[in-house]
Order: sequence, then structure tokens, then C-alpha cells
Amino acid sequence: EVQLLESGGGLVQPGESIRISCAASGFNFGDFAMSWVRQAPGTGLEWVSSVSRSGGDTYYAASVKGRFTISRDTSRDTVYLQMNRLRVEDTAVYFCAKGEGPHDFWGQGTLVIVSS
Amino acid sequence: EVVLTQSPGTLSLSPGVRATLSCRASQTVPANYLGWYQQKPGQAPRLLIYDASTRATAIPDRFSGSGSGTDFTLTISRLEPEDFAVYYCQQYGNSLSFGGGTKVEIK
Repeated sequence: EVQLLESGGGLVQPGESIRISCAASGFNFGDFAMSWVRQAPGTGLEWVSSVSRSGGDTYYAASVKGRFTISRDTSRDTVYLQMNRLRVEDTAVYFCAKGEGPHDFWGQGTLVIVSS
Repeated sequence: EVVLTQSPGTLSLSPGVRATLSCRASQTVPANYLGWYQQKPGQAPRLLIYDASTRATAIPDRFSGSGSGTDFTLTISRLEPEDFAVYYCQQYGNSLSFGGGTKVEIK
């Protein structure tokens, strides 16, 4: 059974940093790109970032480029999102998703709140 | 960036009727790499359709996708009670982007 389990969310102040993680199981992690998608409260889905199977290629939405860094650790079957210089508008549930579109499996999300 | 515009924003319908949701792209979606997702409150999205018209695993055949180029449609042939939810389109042919969503609510 495919499972994606996000962790690491919480409350941070504007300008601070946080790293969230997504532990994958039930499939050959190294065979798939991985993505992060976020959803601000009461709004729609926004693609944030994707990483290739090897980890050598990374892609970012314009809204986070230069502040967020995606990475993966194949030995741990885990994908990470390092979020720096956080803004209030980064407040959202962050979902981990298998693949770089279409996403056939999603985690349940981790909530990041940016507030003073 | 490919901007996806979904319409209508809200669809108020009764169970048993047909639902037609639209997704229009600001430019041609390469290879018709367009998907549809269903999301219920407090849940992660669920993939329904990919490559514009292919049903994902275990998706009932009352869900169908059509379209090409810049205009795409999700049709639910007969609404079941569990189909009332928010639906999003996503293109993955030119980077990735999502539409703003269509809420299908009970009339």
C-alpha cells in the first residue's frame, strides 16, 4: 500500500525557517519524481515544487523560488522542503504528492502557520 | 506560466443529474497533459482523470474527461451523493499549475 506521511509543520514567525518532510512507502521511491502542493485556508491548490527521480533536477513556483529548497534522500525514501524567509502568505497545508503530474497518491498534509 | 480557468465556480445540482465542469487553459496544454482531481473537506485530493480522458485506477465510469488543446471538460454522468465536492484541473505539460476549482453542491 502506497503511503506518504508528512511531518514537521508548525507555527513560525515571519522571516523564519522550517523544514517539512514526507516519508514514502509502498512503492519504489527512486523510480518517481516527487512534488509539494500547498493549500492556503479556504483556497485552492497551488503547486510549489518538484524534484526529479535522481534529485538532480528541481523546479519551483515563482512564488517560492529563491526561498524554498526541495531535496530527497533515497536511502530514507524521504523528500524534504526547506522553507526560508517565510511570509504570512506561505501559511497553508503542504501536501506531498507522488510524481510530477499526474499525482496518483497524496499524503494527508502538514500545516505550516506563519504568524507573529 | 499556463493559467487554468475553471467554470463555473459553483454548480448547484440534484443527485442523479449530469454535471459538466469546464477548464480552459491560457495556452495549449502540451500532449493534453491535463488531469482532474476531486477534493472533499479535510481530505487530500484524489486523482480522477489524467491525460485529459483516461480514468485513474478504481474511478467509476460515471466520471469522464474530454477535450484537447486549451479546452477541457469533466463530466459526471449521474451525480451520486458522494460526488458533491470540489474539483480541480491540473496541467503538467508545461511546468505544473492548477485551476481555481469548481464546487459541486447539492441543490
